[in-house]
Amino acid sequence: EVQLVQSGAEVKKPGESLKISCKASGYTFSTYWIGWVRQMPGKGLEWMGIIYPGDSDIRDNPSFRGQVTISADKSISTAYLQWSSLKASDTAIYYCARQLSSDQTSPFQYWGQGTLVTVSS
Amino acid sequence: DIQMTQSPSSVSASVGDRVTITCRASQDINAWLAWYQQRPGKAPKLLIYAASSLLSGVPSRFSGSGSGTDFSLTISSLQPEDFATYYCQQANSFPLTFGGGTKVEIK
Repeated sequence: EVQLVQSGAEVKKPGESLKISCKASGYTFSTYWIGWVRQMPGKGLEWMGIIYPGDSDIRDNPSFRGQVTISADKSISTAYLQWSSLKASDTAIYYCARQLSSDQTSPFQYWGQGTLVTVSS
Repeated sequence: DIQMTQSPSSVSASVGDRVTITCRASQDINAWLAWYQQRPGKAPKLLIYAASSLLSGVPSRFSGSGSGTDFSLTISSLQPEDFATYYCQQANSFPLTFGGGTKVEIK
């Protein structure tokens, strides 16, 4: 059974750094693209980007470029989303998700439970 | 970026009703479209991919159609568990973009 288990909720101050994680199990981690989706409070879904853990190839959304870093450690089947300097506007739920097939444009079939990130002074 | 526009933004319906949601892409995406359902407080759930392919385990009352720029999701007989927000997503080119969502509410 494919499972994606995300790290817990975080409360941070503006300017702080943060790295959230997504631990995958039930499949060969290095052979499927895995990505991140943002959902701001009361808003819709935003595709942030995906990474292929086999070679760390990334397809990102230019809207998020320079704001976050997507990475993965295939030795522990875990994907990450990282900020170096948080802003209040980063307050959102962040979902990790695995694609339906190994095609990089495949939709997301499996989802983590979401990580709520709250940035407030 | 390809813009995805859903309509309506919300719809009120009763159990047993037929509901259709539409999604329009700002350029031709062939049949590279997916539909998701999101219940309050839950992660999205993939329902349909490649415009009309029903994911295994999804009830057959859900169906998708369309190609090019115009797509639709139909729920043939609304059930209580179907009250949720539905999103389309284009899977044609990066960045993969979502529509703004359609909330299906109880009348």
